[in-house]
Amino acid sequence: NAGVTQTPKFQVLKTGQSMTLQCAQDMNHEYMSWYRQDPGMGLRLIHYSVGAGITDQGEVPNGYNVSRSTTEDFPLRLLSAAPSQTSVYFCASTTGTGPARGQFFGPGTRLTVL
Amino acid sequence: DQQVKQNSPSLSVQEGRISILNCDYTNSMFDYFLWYKKYPAEGPTFLISISSIKDKNEDGRFTVFLNKSAKHLSLHIVPSQPGDSAVYFCAARLGTSGSRLTFGEGTQLTVNP
Repeated sequence: NAGVTQTPKFQVLKTGQSMTLQCAQDMNHEYMSWYRQDPGMGLRLIHYSVGAGITDQGEVPNGYNVSRSTTEDFPLRLLSAAPSQTSVYFCASTTGTGPARGQFFGPGTRLTVL
Repeated sequence: DQQVKQNSPSLSVQEGRISILNCDYTNSMFDYFLWYKKYPAEGPTFLISISSIKDKNEDGRFTVFLNKSAKHLSLHIVPSQPGDSAVYFCAARLGTSGSRLTFGEGTQLTVNP
């Protein structure tokens, strides 16, 4: 199993550009989520999905879109990048049947918006 | 409104001694608490969890204590090893929120040889 994979690892954008951060998992997990990590702020939930075709907003959804057409994939779209979106982005997945084992995280995408 | 707080940004201990990382929360509806460990340039990895109906959970060198009346939990690492040097995040789950987690700010633990 590859677990949770994220591409790209690094990305530099100019203000106003759009892009998609890719996330895939091969563990057949129903629940997937996107977090951003900023210094001194821990991880904040952007969007999450409890299954294919179902998505919902987290704490900081503005400026981001998601879709979940398959169980495996959960891409995050930045519609019009802003410097405030400079961050490290993590995708995570879990079975959703209990939190005891927590969520599995991908290695992250470091995004810089100039 | 920061519902999960880790007030110590950093902690430094000697190898072999105990490391104690602390976490406070405000929402009494949290039903599960988790600790994650994160190395630079990697994603967080799950370490240990505790249900709100328990006050202690142990896994090898790692023990988590929960004090519900104080809304406080702590992670004890005994004995500490240099490989434990990482950022530790406390996280909490609302019972009604499926698998949504609320994270603290993180504490950088440094274990000196």
